[in-house]
Amino acid sequence: GAGVSQSPRYKVAKRGQDVALRCDPISGHVSLFWYQQALGQGPEFLTYFQNEAQLDKSGLPSDRFFAERPEGSVSTLKIQRTQQEDSAVYLCASSLHSQSNQPQHFGDGTRLSIL
Amino acid sequence: DAKTTQPTSMDCAEGRAANLPCNHSTISGNEYVYWYRQIHSQGPQYIIHGLKNNETNEMASLIITEDRKSSTLILPHATLRDTAVYYCIVRDQAGTALIFGKGTTLSVSS
Repeated sequence: GAGVSQSPRYKVAKRGQDVALRCDPISGHVSLFWYQQALGQGPEFLTYFQNEAQLDKSGLPSDRFFAERPEGSVSTLKIQRTQQEDSAVYLCASSLHSQSNQPQHFGDGTRLSIL
Repeated sequence: DAKTTQPTSMDCAEGRAANLPCNHSTISGNEYVYWYRQIHSQGPQYIIHGLKNNETNEMASLIITEDRKSSTLILPHATLRDTAVYYCIVRDQAGTALIFGKGTTLSVSS
């Protein structure tokens, strides 16, 4: 089906390397969200886009984390100089609009392991 | 912090109704109640949401109390594939981020 697609599904990197995680939202969805889920915990918000504009990045844990959505569709979450505490599942979600009555639809995430 | 309180775990027999409670006593008038579930190694799956009226779709029913301080998600005929972590979420007033708590682990057994 035409759901949210994330790639790669799994990523292993050595500490200090840079990684890039991709999200293809549902076609036509204006809003895009990134979440981080640590093992055994619920997802935690990282950042939010409305079209190409990043309207909220309050959840990004450090300046090593950077997200972009240059054409208002595909988004990339980049982590520079990765550290072991960055190991988690990174989830992307999209919704038709950002209003609170619009559900967010999630991809299956990228599982990032930092060695 | 999450604005909701849910039991840590629940059990349900296959074919019976699963009733998952959620307390959200500090909910504001314009905040929606959302339910998601997450099966192992998958992303959260949207189930249903509501503001003040009861809602039903092909997956579940949502019963919201009149004072809106609590709600119940009902899976009418639970199957083994309904085993998952169920999250009750009150959507924040800005209408953007979903704030997940620890959810309820529902175990359906035959």
